[in-house]
Amino acid sequence: GDQVEQSPSALSLHEGTGSALRCNFTTTMRAVQWFRKNSRGSLINLFYLASGTKENGRLKSAFDSKERYSTLHIRDAQLEDSGTYFCAAEANNAGAKLTFGGGTRLTVRP
Amino acid sequence: SVLLYQKPNRDICQSGTSLKIQCVADSQVVSMFWYQQFQEQSLMLMATANEGSEATYESGFTKDKFPISRPNLTFSTLTVNNARPGDSSIYFCSSKTGGTNTGQLYFGEGSKLTVL
Repeated sequence: GDQVEQSPSALSLHEGTGSALRCNFTTTMRAVQWFRKNSRGSLINLFYLASGTKENGRLKSAFDSKERYSTLHIRDAQLEDSGTYFCAAEANNAGAKLTFGGGTRLTVRP
Repeated sequence: SVLLYQKPNRDICQSGTSLKIQCVADSQVVSMFWYQQFQEQSLMLMATANEGSEATYESGFTKDKFPISRPNLTFSTLTVNNARPGDSSIYFCSSKTGGTNTGQLYFGEGSKLTVL
């Protein structure tokens, strides 16, 4: 079936630094979403992309359907950014079904 | 966007019992989707529920074990029958906005089930 490979599985950052998360897809996806799971367990919508890039504050995401990947960049990380981040993608022939990556557990340290 | 409210947020039940989870949307939506997430793992789509028709289940999930109702455009329930410890996980309902199945997916806050 459709696969979404997310990396890294865990990431530790010092406050003020940045890094990137990546999802590779085994098939052509028509859209990707990024979520953050907060301490209460809720899934917070970060981005929805059908192509190109989007930026929101200290977060920036890119999606390249042809090259089969998406990235989420975090800059100037803050303690409250800690949590688990998921990408999820829609395949062209999958209706509204999302296939999730395995998640990245981000820990931001002082 | 669409807001989805789930009830209960968490529950503990004994093996062999059944538990019902409700999901209410703040606006009418075409499809509601139910996802299962085991501890800190990826979310898996269980089924898609449209109003007035039987839910469509993904591989590994059955109607007998996880019956789903969708009586109207703002409401759905997921029942976990004959619950086992292996069913302990978080169950999320989700939907897209408005009258289409395009655009981004929104999730409820999840219902954490623990089966003893």
